Amino acid sequence: GESVGLHLPTLSVQEGDNSIINCAYSNSASDYFIWYKQESGKGPQFIIDIRSNMDKRQGQRVTVLLNKTVKHLSLQIAATQPGDSAVYFCAEKSASKIIFGSGTRLSIRP
Amino acid sequence: EPEVTQTPSHQVTQMGQEVILRCVPISNHLYFYWYRQILGQKVEFLVSFYNNEISEKSEIFDDQFSVERPDGSNFTLKIRSTKLEDSAMYFCASSERTGGETEAFFGQGTRLTVV
Repeated sequence: GESVGLHLPTLSVQEGDNSIINCAYSNSASDYFIWYKQESGKGPQFIIDIRSNMDKRQGQRVTVLLNKTVKHLSLQIAATQPGDSAVYFCAEKSASKIIFGSGTRLSIRP
Repeated sequence: EPEVTQTPSHQVTQMGQEVILRCVPISNHLYFYWYRQILGQKVEFLVSFYNNEISEKSEIFDDQFSVERPDGSNFTLKIRSTKLEDSAMYFCASSERTGGETEAFFGQGTRLTVV
């Protein structure tokens, strides 16, 4: 069955440090993954995506890495800021739905 | 920037009552979705909708639930005979098309509290 999950429910980082949030998936046929950010009281917000024919994709301060061999992806946030505090979800996109993993709550220490 | 709009932001209802959650998707989008998030848990897929038909639905989306696009702008989720366990955030989303590499935009959600 479909399964996307995260390794840690919480992550605390020092402001200015890099954050790494990890995710595992089970369906080797999955070909499109998305990272979402959810701030308190809001809906999920698209951050970055990656197709299975790529290993890495970079955005503004964010990088997603995909390791198909071990079915693992990660989200790296450079120079973490207080505004990055949120719950982060990895998700798998199929034809007509998005399957969310369990989230990691990122908190920033001043 | 266009956005998905949901109303109401918070709905309180008595157990056994029917509720209708409303969504206005982004105007040029053709694919619509409802998701549910129980407090502290992950976002769960309920249903996808295209061309006035359900494309896919999850096990959660049983006969208690129905969706409708009553006019050219609204997309509604009806929950009949609400139960306590229906209390959750309900998110509507829309996308321009389906398939991979199609960003789905989410609304701010409706918090449903069943008492």
